[in-house]
Amino acid sequence: EAQVTQNPRYLITVTGKKLTVTCSQNMNHEYMSWYRQDPGLGLRQIYYSMNVEVTDKGDVPEGYKVSRKEKRNFPLILESPSPNQTSLYFCASSSFRNTEAFFGQGTRLTVV
Amino acid sequence: AQTVTQSQPEMSVQEAETVTLSCTYDTSESDYYLFWYKQPPSRQMILVIRQEAYKQQNATENRFSVNFQKAAKSFSLKISDSQLGDAAMYFCAYRSPQGGSEKLVFGKGTKLTVNP
Repeated sequence: EAQVTQNPRYLITVTGKKLTVTCSQNMNHEYMSWYRQDPGLGLRQIYYSMNVEVTDKGDVPEGYKVSRKEKRNFPLILESPSPNQTSLYFCASSSFRNTEAFFGQGTRLTVV
Repeated sequence: AQTVTQSQPEMSVQEAETVTLSCTYDTSESDYYLFWYKQPPSRQMILVIRQEAYKQQNATENRFSVNFQKAAKSFSLKISDSQLGDAAMYFCAYRSPQGGSEKLVFGKGTKLTVNP
């Protein structure tokens, strides 16, 4: 089954404790992105990748890091999380042949 | 930069009735893609319908159809014969042509309630 898998689905952490949210897709897609969703703001892009070892900032990259060492994986790293990073996070992937983006199930992150 | 505006934070409809959700966007590009995504309480983002700007014909998917007005930069979603399962947040999204930005630009969403 074609899918984008994020883990964990829920995470509560403390300020400053490094964390990683994993994202994996099994569709051999070139493009992958991370978005955060906040009430009243919709979804905003954090980082994106157009292929292995090619990443770039989106609209709200501050406080986040990403890497794309393999085509299927695109982890999101918060090296020193802060409460303003409490949000719902989505990973998405798409192919340059098709405009449709496939989304993961979302990760609800709470930083206390 | 492109922007997407959904002017209706909340809408409600009676079951079996028709409802239209509004979306306008701003862009200087002539070729692009527009989408409507549905987000039920499960949080999953589900593609409802897609429109290519170069196509004049409005896209339809079963009970879902769009009214795409390129000159007016308007992209509304019509849901016919509304069902309880249509209750969700609906997001309008814009994407530049392939080879350009990978970014989807989202509106702030419209919460749709379906009353039995």
